[in-house]
Amino acid sequence: DGGITQSPKYLFRKEGQNVTLSCEQNLNHDAMYWYRQDPGQGLRLIYYSQIVNDFQKGDIAEGYSVSREKKESFPLTVTSAQKNPTAFYLCASSITGGTGTEAFFGQGTRLTVV
Amino acid sequence: AQKVTQAQTEISVVEKEDVTLDCVYETRDTTYYLFWYKQPPSGELVFLIRRNSFDEQNEISGRYSWNFQKSTSSFNFTITASQVVDSAVYFCALKEDPGTASKLTFGTGTRLQVTL
Repeated sequence: DGGITQSPKYLFRKEGQNVTLSCEQNLNHDAMYWYRQDPGQGLRLIYYSQIVNDFQKGDIAEGYSVSREKKESFPLTVTSAQKNPTAFYLCASSITGGTGTEAFFGQGTRLTVV
Repeated sequence: AQKVTQAQTEISVVEKEDVTLDCVYETRDTTYYLFWYKQPPSGELVFLIRRNSFDEQNEISGRYSWNFQKSTSSFNFTITASQVVDSAVYFCALKEDPGTASKLTFGTGTRLQVTL
């Protein structure tokens, strides 16, 4: 079945560690996105990518890094520079060009700093 | 700058009641898209509907209906005869410049609780 797979579902990080969240899609979508969701808040954009080997910062990129080496994959690294990383992270993808198509979302990764 | 406001933080209704979720948006663009997503307890956002800025025709899909009014910058969502399975957080979102991979701007969401 086509879709977006995020792993792991739950992730625990110690202070000062970098962690990488995985996002894979088999929808053949060009664009991929990472959002952060905090309790009682909407989703905020971290990074997005329109094409392989290219990505742009979103509204809250500080303390995060991404790569887009393959069309199917868009991993997000939460670095030690991110001061408050505990949150729910959602990956999404969409086609680009033409009409304003909807984004499809993965099931999310819940990151907790311990 | 674009902005989406969902003033209702939480709504509780009894099953079979109708409920309307409000969404007000701000944008300077003449071309834009509006979306509604549902987030059940599992966490995944489920796409419900897309509406472009040139199409003010309201839509009904089963128990769901949407009322888009450019004059008031509103895109409200109504569930008729609500069911317990409708319990979720609902997000309204705005996308400008739809020809590119531009970002979705989300509202803060409305949590709907449907009880028996």
